[in-house]
Amino acid sequence: DSGVTQTPKHLITATGQRVTLRCSPRSGDLSVYWYQQSLDQGLQFLIHYYNGEERAKGNILERFSAQQFPDLHSELNLSSLELGDSALYFCASSVGGGHYGYTFGSGTRLTVV
Amino acid sequence: AQTVTQSQPEMSVQEAETVTLSCTYDTSESDYYLFWYKQPPSRQMILVIRQEAYKQQNATENRFSVNFQKAAKSFSLKISDSQLGDAAMYFCAYRSLWEGAQKLVFGQGTRLTINP
Repeated sequence: DSGVTQTPKHLITATGQRVTLRCSPRSGDLSVYWYQQSLDQGLQFLIHYYNGEERAKGNILERFSAQQFPDLHSELNLSSLELGDSALYFCASSVGGGHYGYTFGSGTRLTVV
Repeated sequence: AQTVTQSQPEMSVQEAETVTLSCTYDTSESDYYLFWYKQPPSRQMILVIRQEAYKQQNATENRFSVNFQKAAKSFSLKISDSQLGDAAMYFCAYRSLWEGAQKLVFGQGTRLTINP
């Protein structure tokens, strides 16, 4: 157990639907990062939050949004889902800026049918 | 933008032998961090080793060591005495020192198979 908790582990949904992925960072970590892992795109950075504030955005689609709450857990919202959104979504956390690396959760496998 | 390239999609090695995974990167920055992550079939991303670019000494963690060649922008991972549990996807990653770019940039990965 890495200390980073992601729920659910698996999610199957239909095109056009909306889902929410949840992440609880390791105790004491203030930064949360979201990554998408697909077969053709590899691991792509989506967004970074630090202590409730958005710090950086990567290749995140407008249909996707995220937030970090006062208790530091984070949610990634994916809407108007398309088949191409099927992927493994990782959350990672770090104390500060990740100089020593991130701790990753076990991921949420999203399948859009 | 920085890029990371892992030119070996797949590698295999006999148990107890040594294997080296290659990674090159492109950056205009002089200071940065480099990482190797392991992703076993469980999908969990596990940090294997970390290198600070301003340190010339190669990092070592038990059976894992790196060969960091800054001028060549090369960061290879050597696994000694390979074990069956080392079978996984291995990802090389780059992190800028700049606080505005704290994301990890990953290579495409190398799938390592350990033959008993």
